[in-house]
Amino acid sequence: DAKTTQPTSMDCAEGRAANLPCNHSTISGNEYVYWYRQIHSQGPQYIIHGLKNNETNEMASLIITEDRKSSTLILPHATLRDTAVYYCIVRVGNNAGNMLTFGGGTRLMVKP
Amino acid sequence: DTGVSQDPRHKITKRGQNVTFRCDPISEHNRLYWYRQTLGQGPEFLTYFQNEAQLEKSRLLSDRFSAERPKGSFSTLEIQRTEQGDSAMYLCASTKSGGQETQYFGPGTRLLVL
Repeated sequence: DAKTTQPTSMDCAEGRAANLPCNHSTISGNEYVYWYRQIHSQGPQYIIHGLKNNETNEMASLIITEDRKSSTLILPHATLRDTAVYYCIVRVGNNAGNMLTFGGGTRLMVKP
Repeated sequence: DTGVSQDPRHKITKRGQNVTFRCDPISEHNRLYWYRQTLGQGPEFLTYFQNEAQLEKSRLLSDRFSAERPKGSFSTLEIQRTEQGDSAMYLCASTKSGGQETQYFGPGTRLLVL
């Protein structure tokens, strides 16, 4: 699976949009971009994933560049409860038994 | 709550003791994964099952570690002769094969070896 690069940490004001970038310049055509987050002392929580097109769900939006070499996770109105470590992962979808390879993630601090 | 449960949530043991953790996946999920997470790091893959078959093991899974999923439902992870370096969060995730196989994680079991 392709390696990802994320900033180590970011701050965001409560109520503002949080934009978390991820670089995955070696991504292959059949690899999806997944985002998980981990709130302190809890298990990782699935947020969203996508292949080529932008995706949106009740939690977030995922914007993938046309060349697929980078993506941005957008939390439209960050709250204090969004403070967490956010992991960007690329992996082959529809592949038997493909484990998730986590990097260091981005520690997002939402401030009042 | 993702529907994946783990027990116990916390375990403190003395070096050299054996410990066993349990994971109950989402009921219709036939694939089950174990990960380990040490402080300040992302989770690392240990092993995974499809139904009752253990299909892949990481080199992190030393011979003191054993995992089972006897009936293709819940799974157990046992660590024999625990060492201080085994102190970590042990995470379980499950998914249903076919489709895009999003993995859903349990709350984890935090192990402290004294």
